[in-house]
Amino acid sequence: TQLLEQSPQFLSIQEGENLTVYCNSSSVFSSLQWYRQEPGEGPVLLVTVVTGGEVKKLKRLTFQFGDARKDSSLHITAAQPGDTGLYLCAGAMNSFGNEKLTFGTGTRLTIIP
Amino acid sequence: NAGVTQTPKFQVLKTGQSMTLQCAQDMNHEYMSWYRQDPGMGLRLIHYSVGAGITDQGEVPNGYNVSRSTTEDFPLRLLSAAPSQTSVYFCASSRTYMSSGNTIYFGEGSWLTVV
Repeated sequence: TQLLEQSPQFLSIQEGENLTVYCNSSSVFSSLQWYRQEPGEGPVLLVTVVTGGEVKKLKRLTFQFGDARKDSSLHITAAQPGDTGLYLCAGAMNSFGNEKLTFGTGTRLTIIP
Repeated sequence: NAGVTQTPKFQVLKTGQSMTLQCAQDMNHEYMSWYRQDPGMGLRLIHYSVGAGITDQGEVPNGYNVSRSTTEDFPLRLLSAAPSQTSVYFCASSRTYMSSGNTIYFGEGSWLTVV
C-alpha cells in the first residue's frame, strides 16, 4: 500500500503553461518535503512545509500544505524547459521517537520548448 | 565540496554474488540512510543510522546489511544478490534525523543490475 499518492504520474506541457501536481495521503504528516530529481542524479530538496495551510513560494513554484497536513500541491507558473524532471513529495511521520520519511511515487514532468 | 559520494556508479552482478556499495559524506552529518528507487515505487528506505555505531532497519531491509563504524562512512552490503535487487540505490545524509528545518542530501546514485 502506497502511503503517498502523486498525480498525475506523467505530465507533458508546452513552455509557458501553468501546472499543478498533487500529493495525497490518508495519513497525517508532521512535515512534507518536495524534491526534484534529474536523470542520473539524486533528488534535490526544494522546500519543506510544516504548518497546515502553509504556502511557500520559490520563484515560479508555489507549494501548499493541506490544512489537515494530509496532502500537498506544487503549482508551477509559466513552466520552462529547465523545470523538466521527476518531482517527489515526501512526508515525515514520527514513530516511537524516530522520524520516518516516506516518498511518493513521483510525477515525471516534461516541458516542451 | 564533495557532499555525499557513492561508488560504484554502475555495477553488474551475477545472482548469488556479494558486493558493497560505498557511501561517504564530508559534512559531519549524524544521520545517514540508504534508499532504493524502482519504477512506480518511489524511494524506499532500506537501512538508516542516527550516528556512528547505531543502525536500524527501514522499510525493505531484507538481503542487505549496513554498518556505521565512522561518522563519514555508511556502506551497504548485498549478501547474496538476487534479480529483485536490480535497482538504483541512493545514499543520503542530514544533520539530524528530523526532516523539519533540515536538508537531506542525496548522492548521485548507484545503478545495480543482477543477472
